[in-house]
Amino acid sequence: GDSVTQMEGPVTLSEEAFLTINCTYTATGYPSLFWYVQYPGEGLQLLLKATKADDKGSNKGFEATYRKETTSFHLEKGSVQVSDSAVYFCALSNSQGGSEKLVFGKGTKLTVNP
Amino acid sequence: GAGVSQTPSNKVTEKGKYVELRCDPISGHTALYWYRQSLGQGPEFLIYFQGTGAADDSGLPNDRFFAVRPEGSVSTLKIQRTERGDSAVYLCASSLSLSGQEETQYFGPGTRLLVL
Repeated sequence: GDSVTQMEGPVTLSEEAFLTINCTYTATGYPSLFWYVQYPGEGLQLLLKATKADDKGSNKGFEATYRKETTSFHLEKGSVQVSDSAVYFCALSNSQGGSEKLVFGKGTKLTVNP
Repeated sequence: GAGVSQTPSNKVTEKGKYVELRCDPISGHTALYWYRQSLGQGPEFLIYFQGTGAADDSGLPNDRFFAVRPEGSVSTLKIQRTERGDSAVYLCASSLSLSGQEETQYFGPGTRLLVL
């Protein structure tokens, strides 16, 4: 079945550091790819998405490019802030099965220190 | 409110008891999803409703779990004979689900279930 593998955490960075969180996937067909974020004490929120190969999703300074050749959707940010501290989840949705359920990775906890 | 709401926010029960968890989706959203998130893990899909019908229940772990959405809006997840392993955060999400389009799922805050 479809699956998502993301970089194990936790990740600890200093403010203004460069962030990469790796995500690879296994799926039949052409899934849509997502990054969700869970801030402390809050619910899951969509951060960005890409629905076809070579698409780049971006939001709040975060970016991720849908790479079909490497089945990857790595999350990047050039300069992190303390407020980016959260748990980040990579996910896919594959409508081929008739359901747009999300398949999530295990999550990566990011802590940004001032 | 404007978002997905879930009640109760916390539920503590004893092994063997029956529980009901409620989800109130965003108004007008036809698709509704239930997920379960165990500690340190990503959410896992349980069941998906399109309108009143369960379009995909392949994630329900066993027949102790059941969900309904009788009027195509509010949904209730029901767990019979609860076990300690059912302890988790149960998340609900909804989306517009327009035909042929990938729609964003909006998540509620979750119900934290603890089975003693």
